[in-house]
Amino acid sequence: DADVTQTPRNRITKTGKRIMLECSQTKGHDRMYWYRQDPGLGLRLIYYSFDVKDINKGEISDGYSVSRQAQAKFSLSLESAIPNQTALYFCATSDLQYGTHNEQFFGPGTRLTVL
Amino acid sequence: TQLLEQSPQFLSIQEGENLTVYCNSSSVFSSLQWYRQEPGEGPVLLVTVVTGGEVKKLKRLTFQFGDARKDSSLHITAAQTGDTGLYLCAGYNFNKFYFGSGTKLNVKP
Repeated sequence: DADVTQTPRNRITKTGKRIMLECSQTKGHDRMYWYRQDPGLGLRLIYYSFDVKDINKGEISDGYSVSRQAQAKFSLSLESAIPNQTALYFCATSDLQYGTHNEQFFGPGTRLTVL
Repeated sequence: TQLLEQSPQFLSIQEGENLTVYCNSSSVFSSLQWYRQEPGEGPVLLVTVVTGGEVKKLKRLTFQFGDARKDSSLHITAAQTGDTGLYLCAGYNFNKFYFGSGTKLNVKP
C-alpha cells in the first residue's frame, strides 16, 4: 500500500464550486505539505503543517485553506474554485529527525480542472 | 522567495550519451535535494546533499553541491531510456522547500 495517498486522483469542477482534496499518510510523519505544480513553474508551496495544531502559509496560499484533522490527515480546500487554479496538486510528508535531512515523500497527485 | 533556476529546461539525447543538469540560486541553502518525477506520479527523492562541495554517486548519477551551497549539478553517465523523466532540484531553508522549475529529460533508444 502507498505511504501517502491522495483523493480524488482527478476532478473536474466548475467556477465557484467548493472543492476539497484529501491526503492521508501511514508514514507516521509529523510534517505535511500541499504543493501545486504548473508546467514550467515547478512545485510551489501552498500550505504546510508541522503538527495537528500548527498551520502555516506557503508562497501561494490565497484562495486556499487547509485542515489538519489528525497527524495522518491533511486536507486542502478551494472555497470558490477559479480556472487559474487548474493544476496538479501534491501532498507530501517529512519527518525531521537526527541523522535525516527532512526528506519529503510525495503522494501520487490530484489533477484538478476548473472550467 | 528563494529562487532556484534549472537548466536546461528540456533535454533530448540518445541512449549512451552523458548529460549534466544545473540548479542555481543566489541563496544559500542548508541542504539540497534532487527528485525525479514520472508522468502521473509524484516526485521521488534521489539524493540529499548537505555539505558544501559534497559529491554523491547513485549508480550512473553523480550529484554535486557547490562549495557555497548555492548551486548543484546532476551528471548522468551513459544515459538509458529508463532515465527519462522530469528532474527537480529543491533547496531547503527555514523549514521550507523551494523547487526549481525542472528539467525534462528524454532519452531516445
